[in-house]
Amino acid sequence: DGGITQSPKYLFRKEGQNVTLSCEQNLNHDAMYWYRQDPGQGLRLIYYSQIVNDFQKGDIAEGYSVSREKKESFPLTVTSAQKNPTAFYLCASRQSSYNSPLHFGNGTRLTVT
Amino acid sequence: GQQLNQSPQSMFIQEGEDVSMNCTSSSIFNTWLWYKQDPGEGPVLLIALYKAGELTSNGRLTAQFGITRKDSFLNISASIPSDVGIYFCAGQSSWGGGGADGLTFGKGTHLIIQP
Repeated sequence: DGGITQSPKYLFRKEGQNVTLSCEQNLNHDAMYWYRQDPGQGLRLIYYSQIVNDFQKGDIAEGYSVSREKKESFPLTVTSAQKNPTAFYLCASRQSSYNSPLHFGNGTRLTVT
Repeated sequence: GQQLNQSPQSMFIQEGEDVSMNCTSSSIFNTWLWYKQDPGEGPVLLIALYKAGELTSNGRLTAQFGITRKDSFLNISASIPSDVGIYFCAGQSSWGGGGADGLTFGKGTHLIIQP
């Protein structure tokens, strides 16, 4: 089945450690996105990539980094510089054609203590 | 940047009742999308609207793209327990335009159904 796979579902880290969240899609989508979701705040865009080897900062990129070495993969690293990393992280993708809708993975819940 | 006002923020309804929620914006959108998110899961696309005035149904769900292109609504008829969740609207202005990627999300409507 085609889809977007995020792993792991739950992740626990100690403060000060970097952590990388995985996102893989087999939908042959050109564009991939990372969102952060906090209670009552909706979805906030961290980074997005419209093509391999290129990515753009979203609204809350500070403390995060990404790479896009392959079309199907868009890993997100939450660095120790991110002040409030505990959140639900959502990866999404879509075709680059005009008005193509966004599709989401099932999310990773990151808890940093 | 662009903002979407989604209302209501939450709804407490009885099973079997109809539900209505909407999103409004000060900006024009070319596409309106409606998603549903279950607890601990990612949002799932329910309906996509591409033309002003368009009315589209998906089972008990009906959504409309406002004539002004600045609003959209979602109706759910005869609600059932599995309708519980958070419903998000999203507007898309154009590829690369508007927001950082042309997509703007509402903050969600939390639907709670009382048996």
